[in-house]
Amino acid sequence: GIQVEQSPPDLILQEGANSTLRCNFSDSVNNLQWFHQNPWGQLINLFYIPSGTKQNGRLSATTVATERYSLLYISSSQTTDSGVYFCAPCQGRANSKLTFGKGITLSVRP
Amino acid sequence: GAVVSQHPSWVICKSGTSVKIECRSLDFQATTMFWYRQFPKQSLMLMATSNEGSKATYEQGVEKDKFLINHASLTLSTLTVTSAHPEDSSFYICSAGGLAGGRYEQYFGPGTRLTVT
Repeated sequence: GIQVEQSPPDLILQEGANSTLRCNFSDSVNNLQWFHQNPWGQLINLFYIPSGTKQNGRLSATTVATERYSLLYISSSQTTDSGVYFCAPCQGRANSKLTFGKGITLSVRP
Repeated sequence: GAVVSQHPSWVICKSGTSVKIECRSLDFQATTMFWYRQFPKQSLMLMATSNEGSKATYEQGVEKDKFLINHASLTLSTLTVTSAHPEDSSFYICSAGGLAGGRYEQYFGPGTRLTVT
């Protein structure tokens, strides 16, 4: 199956800093989602981004499908951004399973 | 947005008993639901995929007789951990697949923390 690598595994930021989280995948994909898991365990949908660039407030994401990577940008980080960020590509048709990376643990310090 | 609920949010049970976890899509119909297990500081591990009205498809290594999955309607799937043992203690998360803005996305429930004593 597809391999998903996320980097860096851990990231510590001072509040207000910017960061880039990377997701590499080993095969072509039909879609890709980014999630934020908060400290209580809830996964929150950030982006559905099989290709191209999207922005939502302080967050933006870019997927370059031909080069098999996706990036999540966090600008002006806040303490509430802390948690684990997962990327999850999907190779199959619309209701197929996602393959999760190991996640990136982000800690934003006040 | 799409909302998925799980009940209970946490449960403590004695070894040998069975526990049922419910997953509901509250504002959309989910033809497919997924059950994951997550150990502390690890990623999500897919246990099984369930489609409404048909048998679940289990991932390799997941015991189907131990983790019973039922997807009786387009809004409800249940996971029953039978004869639970301490090694079954984990965080169980469901997701529901639905159409949003013309595309298919998975939406996750808040999870159920199971502790088997």
